Amino acid sequence: QVQLVQSGAEVKKPGASVKVSCKASGYTFTNYGITWVRQAPGEGLEWMGWISGYNSNTNYAQKFQVRVTMTTDTSATTAYMEVRSLRFDDTAVYYCARGIGAPDGFDIWGQGTKVSVSS
Amino acid sequence: SYVLTQPPSVSVAPGQTARITCGGNNIGNKSVHWYQQKPGQAPVLVVYDDNDRPSGIPERFSGSNSGNTATLTISRVEDGDEADYYCQVWDSSTVFGTGTKVTVL
Repeated sequence: QVQLVQSGAEVKKPGASVKVSCKASGYTFTNYGITWVRQAPGEGLEWMGWISGYNSNTNYAQKFQVRVTMTTDTSATTAYMEVRSLRFDDTAVYYCARGIGAPDGFDIWGQGTKVSVSS
Repeated sequence: SYVLTQPPSVSVAPGQTARITCGGNNIGNKSVHWYQQKPGQAPVLVVYDDNDRPSGIPERFSGSNSGNTATLTISRVEDGDEADYYCQVWDSSTVFGTGTKVTVL
């Protein structure tokens, strides 16, 4: 079946980096893109950016353009999202989701990866 | 930046109809998607392109979009519909609504 499986929970110190993976299966990876969304505790959904599974073109939310890098490994049908210079307010659940591209929605979501930033 | 405004909460009795609004400037000119999120779970797409349902989503979920307001309607509400609901559009970037908590009385 079509699914996205994310890497496990992470605990990081302020200033560190974290890299979350999103393994896709059950569909042709290059026909879709992957979007990344985060959700801080008790808060709503926040879009971080999108990467094409076809050519790795990216589109980042302005807020994340400096500290976030999204990549893909087509041979492994896996997308990655790295956040650098972590701050306490980066504590959140990070989701990947499948989408064809703007203006379409996201029909398959990963289970989420909890990232905690704590000293 | 584009803003989508939703009511924080909606309460509805079982069997009744819940309507969740999503307000945005000329949102009627955009494709609106709706997600359901239950506690501790990932969001699930329940309506896309204003009023289409992914396979497996009950017909009780429907949507409309006109002017400055899009609406998600849940007919014959069930206990299992209790969740947070988010609207989403594309406006140079992906934008999510503020979210609405639906409580089944």
